[in-house]
Amino acid sequence: QVQLVESGGGVVQPGKSLRLSCAASGFIFTTYSIHWVRQAPGKGLEWVAVIWYDGSKKYYADSVKGRFTISRDTSENTVFLQMSSLRAEDTAVYFCVRALTSVDEFWGQGTLVTVSS
Amino acid sequence: DIHLTQSPSSLSASVGDRVTITCRTSESIDIYLNWYQQKPGKAPKLLIYAASNLQSGVSSRFSGSGSGTDFSLTINSLRPEDFATYYCQQSFGDPTFGQGTKVQVK
Repeated sequence: QVQLVESGGGVVQPGKSLRLSCAASGFIFTTYSIHWVRQAPGKGLEWVAVIWYDGSKKYYADSVKGRFTISRDTSENTVFLQMSSLRAEDTAVYFCVRALTSVDEFWGQGTLVTVSS
Repeated sequence: DIHLTQSPSSLSASVGDRVTITCRTSESIDIYLNWYQQKPGKAPKLLIYAASNLQSGVSSRFSGSGSGTDFSLTINSLRPEDFATYYCQQSFGDPTFGQGTKVQVK
């Protein structure tokens, strides 16, 4: 069955870096775009980034542009979100999502990132 | 960025009620508007895509309408499992979400 499993979350100090992973299984990884969407505690949803099915295009929210980098490794069926210069306002649950807003959409369970000194 | 404004921010309703949530966008997005349901501690679930299309497996009690800048989500005959937070989202440009509408028990 389709699975997206996020990992890599934790507590990190402001200004530091963290890399999130999204391991995919149960579908043909190279045929779907993958998004990251985050949700601060008690707050709404915020789209973060997307990487196209073939890795050819990447787009970012203005709030993370220049600090976050999305990539994918087809040999591992994994998408990464490299986060640097982290701020308190980056504290959130980070979800990876297959094919956001399509009939094939599928969400992972999320991983919590806490930026705190 | 395209800004989405949902109303109300919260509402209280009873089982069996009909509930309507509206979403207004800061610019016209044709029908590129989607609706999600989220329960505490869970990932959001896509209910409606392209303004009025029911996602597979979603109850027909949910319906969506609208185009341009004004959209709505209606839940007919509210059931206990429908108490949740609902978000609209636009996919015309880089995705953005409304602030959410919490549907709670009256």
